[in-house]
Amino acid sequence: DTAVSQTPKYLVTQMGNDKSIKCEQNLGHDTMYWYKQDSKKFLKIMFSYNNKELIINETVPNRFSPKSPDKAHLNLHINSLELGDSAVYFCASSQDLAVPYEQYFGPGTRLTVT
Amino acid sequence: QKEVEQNSGPLSVPEGAIASLNCTYSDRGSQSFFWYRQYSGKSPELIMFIYSNGDKEDGRFTAQLNKASQYVSLLIRDSQPSDSATYLCAVNPLQGAQKLVFGQGTRLTINP
Repeated sequence: DTAVSQTPKYLVTQMGNDKSIKCEQNLGHDTMYWYKQDSKKFLKIMFSYNNKELIINETVPNRFSPKSPDKAHLNLHINSLELGDSAVYFCASSQDLAVPYEQYFGPGTRLTVT
Repeated sequence: QKEVEQNSGPLSVPEGAIASLNCTYSDRGSQSFFWYRQYSGKSPELIMFIYSNGDKEDGRFTAQLNKASQYVSLLIRDSQPSDSATYLCAVNPLQGAQKLVFGQGTRLTINP
């Protein structure tokens, strides 16, 4: 059983399009995250949700909109895609907001904007 | 100054030797420190965490923390080719304590 799953694994699209990435965790965790990893491997948090409530929004452009229908799911919708959005997007979850608990990462979604 | 800094490498170490990975952080009030391993094309996975000054050992891995110097390191003893990966240092800063801040990672290659 996959603990944290993401779909799709690869996403190739043109500038200006709108796309979504879905994430699900079956660990019973309360907290979920979205990270962006650029070509230089720099992993940066974008959002975190705790029990469907937005906790962290790291000055991400408004074109990025997360949605958490329940605590097991955290989706990411991106409007008007730009070249600079090309990266690997990782979803992660942790037991709760107490960060020392281990964060489990999904397999990542490689987004390429052409 | 970046919040968490690592030498991006690559760091090459012969098989069986000790690999030493270093990380410095800027927020003096940081509370907890993590080492993640990321194989090429895969997701990060937690291998060690440390909260207190000193050493913490887990198998072949030892994490070392020096809060006065704002420095954390990871030692890998008896390095194996399977240890070849990018190692990400992550810090839980006092300000914004509900997140991890990652360094850019050090790429480690173990040569047989």
